[in-house]
Amino acid sequence: AQSVTQLGSHVSVSEGALVLLRCNYSSSVPPYLFWYVQYPNQGLQLLLKYTTGATLVKGINGFEAEFKKSETSFHLTKPSAHMSDAAEYFCAVSFSGGYNKLIFGAGTRLAVHP
Amino acid sequence: AAGVIQSPRHLIKEKRETATLKCYPIPRHDTVYWYQQGPGQDPQFLISFYEKMQSDKGSIPDRFSAQQFSDYHSELNMSSLELGDSALYFCASQKTMGLVDSNTGELFFGEGSRLTVL
Repeated sequence: AQSVTQLGSHVSVSEGALVLLRCNYSSSVPPYLFWYVQYPNQGLQLLLKYTTGATLVKGINGFEAEFKKSETSFHLTKPSAHMSDAAEYFCAVSFSGGYNKLIFGAGTRLAVHP
Repeated sequence: AAGVIQSPRHLIKEKRETATLKCYPIPRHDTVYWYQQGPGQDPQFLISFYEKMQSDKGSIPDRFSAQQFSDYHSELNMSSLELGDSALYFCASQKTMGLVDSNTGELFFGEGSRLTVL
């Protein structure tokens, strides 16, 4: 069975500081991995995804994530936080190929303070 | 570009009433997923359809049912509503390619329908 664990339900950083949101997954088959962002009262927006190929993936708004198979991790980073990054972030996993139901982690709420 | 359309965006119902949510997938997408997100919770998978047939079922209560129509839009029907059904309901669509082609795996989500049960 697949599962996702996000370490830290709340993360607070200063504007301009490094953002690191942690995600570990469990999957018996090669996973597809995703990060979604959700702003208050809005839908889920895809930040970035890993399917195959390069393990370092770049997404929108300056975010990137690295797939580390040996560590079963897919941590999300951004070198310099902006106030507009404050939101809920969800890591998700699905099976590679074919049908792709997403399994979400519990989410991490990112707060950015001046 | 066209996105996933959900209606209504907001819905208020009393306990024991029924509600119907609609989802219009991105054109040419053949798979629809329904998720339920309770307050402060992560989205939980309810049910999915591929080519108008139910393809998977998650934690969907027996009081709920769903279907996908010939034009690929989907409806989620909820009966005997309970307070705990208050949530944001997301629909997502996907173009599921054949086994030979690589699958990007990306789901495109609608803005969600917020159901409040009083």
